[in-house]
Amino acid sequence: DADVTQTPRNRITKTGKRIMLECSQTKGHDRMYWYRQDPGLGLQLIYYSFDVKDINKGEISDGYSVSRQAQAKFSLSLESAIPNQTALYFCATSESGTGGPNEQFFGPGTRLTVL
Amino acid sequence: DAKTTQPPSMDCAEGRAANLPCNHSTISGNEYVYWYRQIHSQGPQYIIHGLKNNETNEMASLIITEDRKSSTLILPHATLRDTAVYYCIVRVAGGAQKLVFGQGTRLTINP
Repeated sequence: DADVTQTPRNRITKTGKRIMLECSQTKGHDRMYWYRQDPGLGLQLIYYSFDVKDINKGEISDGYSVSRQAQAKFSLSLESAIPNQTALYFCATSESGTGGPNEQFFGPGTRLTVL
Repeated sequence: DAKTTQPPSMDCAEGRAANLPCNHSTISGNEYVYWYRQIHSQGPQYIIHGLKNNETNEMASLIITEDRKSSTLILPHATLRDTAVYYCIVRVAGGAQKLVFGQGTRLTINP
């Protein structure tokens, strides 16, 4: 089974709809992240969380919100979806601590299309 | 976090060594060099990281120049499955630990 899972894998929705993307992990990591990727570009950080009670904005948080329901779950919501939020969304996890580089482990992605 | 510069694309023959360069001339003393790759719309995959010394693991080798202003990722025997976008990222180990992805190098392995 995959260590980091995302649901749904694909979603088509209409402008103005509320949508939630979910991420679950079995790696036991404290830190979780949400990124978006537009075609031909690198990933941009939306939100990140260092533990259940910690939420931080990333580079492009406008129009998004998150919820860290448990150590293993981190959800991303689009309150009122718009077409320029059409993108590939990735969840990632990493260990906590400052002793080492702490690489991030990514989920398979959710392809979201907003019509 | 320091900015990195990579060539937009490279080609390599299957079975040959693929050498991917990265410039990071503004790197700070406490910043690591990381490499990730992304195979066609899949989640990025960690490859290797280093601070000063050259590093090797089962996937690749990382050569960092003595002044740390540039590095090279080496895939010793490239296969078709190594075709991907490779990202060189420089950042400190602690703190927010966010990864800043540039546009990377699109590596194509040719049969």
